[in-house]
Amino acid sequence: DGGITQSPKYLFRKEGQNVTLSCEQNLNHDAMYWYRQDPGQGLRLIYYSQIVNDFQKGDIAEGYSVSREKKESFPLTVTSAQKNPTAFYLCASSIASGRALWTGELFFGEGSRLTVL
Amino acid sequence: ELKVEQNPLFLSMQEGKNYTIYCNYSTTSDRLYWYRQDPGKSLESLFVLLSNGAVKQEGRLMASLDTKARLSTLHITAAVHDLSATYFCAVDIWRDDKIIFGKGTRLHILP
Repeated sequence: DGGITQSPKYLFRKEGQNVTLSCEQNLNHDAMYWYRQDPGQGLRLIYYSQIVNDFQKGDIAEGYSVSREKKESFPLTVTSAQKNPTAFYLCASSIASGRALWTGELFFGEGSRLTVL
Repeated sequence: ELKVEQNPLFLSMQEGKNYTIYCNYSTTSDRLYWYRQDPGKSLESLFVLLSNGAVKQEGRLMASLDTKARLSTLHITAAVHDLSATYFCAVDIWRDDKIIFGKGTRLHILP
């Protein structure tokens, strides 16, 4: 079954620690995204990547870092510089624009809920 | 900067009633998406609207797009309790491949 897998589903972190959230997809999608969702809020874009070894900052990139070494994987590191990291993190993927079947529709993973103690 | 505004942000309605959720955006785009989110869950794609005048329907939900007015609507017909969820619209920034979401409309349908 094709899809997007995020892990862990729940994560607790002490202040000052870095944590990495995993996102893997087997949909053969070129583009991958990380969003943050706070209670009662919409989704805010952290980082996105259209191709391997390239990524762009979204609207709230400060305190986060990403890598895109493989097409299937787009891990997000929440660093100690992120002042308020407690949130629900959603990874998504899509066919890259320029491809024949591109619509921009995003396919989401199940999310990772990070709590800072 | 692109702004995507949904209205209302919260809606409580009786089963059997009709209602419309509005999504306004502030810059040029001809691609708009609607997603559904159940509490504590991820987002599920509902509609992909790719051109001015596009209309899509699925069951009791119908979405439309007016790119000249920069407005999309999600219409609910004869609401049922199972439609209770949060609905998000999202807009693709032209030539930028960024997808920006509205804050969501939390829909609560009373039996």
